[in-house]
Amino acid sequence: EIQVVESGGGLVQPGGSLRLSCAASGFTFGGYAMTWVRQAPGKGLEWVSSISRFGGDAYYADSVKGRFTISRDNSKSTVSLQMNSLRVDDTAVYYCAKNSGSYWGDNRFGPWGQGTLVAVSS
Amino acid sequence: QSVLTQPPSASETPGQRVTISCSGSTSNIGNNPVSWYQQLPETAPRLLIYNSNQRPSGVPDRFSGSKSGTSASLVISGLQSDDEADFYCAAWDDGLSGYVFGTGTTVTVL
Repeated sequence: EIQVVESGGGLVQPGGSLRLSCAASGFTFGGYAMTWVRQAPGKGLEWVSSISRFGGDAYYADSVKGRFTISRDNSKSTVSLQMNSLRVDDTAVYYCAKNSGSYWGDNRFGPWGQGTLVAVSS
Repeated sequence: QSVLTQPPSASETPGQRVTISCSGSTSNIGNNPVSWYQQLPETAPRLLIYNSNQRPSGVPDRFSGSKSGTSASLVISGLQSDDEADFYCAAWDDGLSGYVFGTGTTVTVL
């Protein structure tokens, strides 16, 4: 069974840092790009970041550029999201997803994990 | 801020057909395939349609997608009560060098 499981969420103060992890199983991890998507409470989906199969290419939403860093370890089948300078409006459930598309323009996110909640508050 | 525009809600009685629109621009829908995601209450999203009109295995053929110019549509035929969910379109945006999601549409079965 193909599965992704996020971890690392929690409560953090504005300006703080948090590192999210996503553990994948059931597929050849190094053969696929990976993506983070977030959803603020009661709001819609917002793409956050994506990383290529070997980590050579990474893309970020303007809202997190310069503050968040995506990385991956293919030997451990994990993808991480380092979040620095966190703001109140970063509060959201963060989902990790396998990107099965054959090129960047072909978005096929799935499966998705259950998500991990990040709450930024003083 | 969402770049793709969807109607906030849609509703119909069981067995009927619902169409959800997704409006974008030449930098996203106009030049890239569209995907659709279904998010049932209190669950993670799941891929419903990719490449504008393709269904992953396991998705019923009651769900169909299409694209024309800078707009896309999702059609749910034979609406069922367990189709009640939020639906999102998504596409790569060449100008932003990233993905954009639609504003989301809540489907209610009356």
